[in-house]
Amino acid sequence: AQSVTQLGSHVSVSEGALVLLRCNYSSSVPPYLFWYVQYPNQGLQLLLKYTTGATLVKGINGFEAEFKKSETSFHLTKPSAHMSDAAEYFCAVPNTGFQKLVFGTGTRLLVSP
Amino acid sequence: DTAVSQTPKYLVTQMGNDKSIKCEQNLGHDTMYWYKQDSKKFLKIMFSYNNKELIINETVPNRFSPKSPDKAHLNLHINSLELGDSAVYFCASSRSNTEAFFGQGTRLTVV
Repeated sequence: AQSVTQLGSHVSVSEGALVLLRCNYSSSVPPYLFWYVQYPNQGLQLLLKYTTGATLVKGINGFEAEFKKSETSFHLTKPSAHMSDAAEYFCAVPNTGFQKLVFGTGTRLLVSP
Repeated sequence: DTAVSQTPKYLVTQMGNDKSIKCEQNLGHDTMYWYKQDSKKFLKIMFSYNNKELIINETVPNRFSPKSPDKAHLNLHINSLELGDSAVYFCASSRSNTEAFFGQGTRLTVV
């Protein structure tokens, strides 16, 4: 079954620092992969997605992620953190048949001034 | 013009009551979902509907009954509410084989 693992339940950075949130997937077949962001008391918003083609995917709010098949990873990065980036971030993969999304356990990003 | 809207946003109720959460999407999607987010932010699928047909029921107690009157609506009815049902419930929709769009969530508190 498809699954994703997010390392680190909390990541703390200073404003202006690099953001790196880790996601590894388990699949022998390159899957679709998604990153979602959840701001406090809000729903989930799609940040970016990988389907096929270019392995470096750019998303909203300056985020990007690189699909690395050799490492089965899809880590999320942003060169310079902003206070408004503080939120919960979820990596997700569809199950076989794309009937549902399977989410990682989430990583809370804390940004300090 | 909200894409996926669910009501109510907050629901506080006593144990044993029956309650419903409504969801509507105006994106023309053919698939709708209910997800549950627990207090540790864990997100888990409950139900998936495709063209009004149930395609996933992920070991949810039968006190939970989804109903899809048409492709744009997927409501969730919960009977005999228990303390453990307290969570945030998210409705979502998608076109086949694409990303899901989520509603704002309904925070259910059972007291």
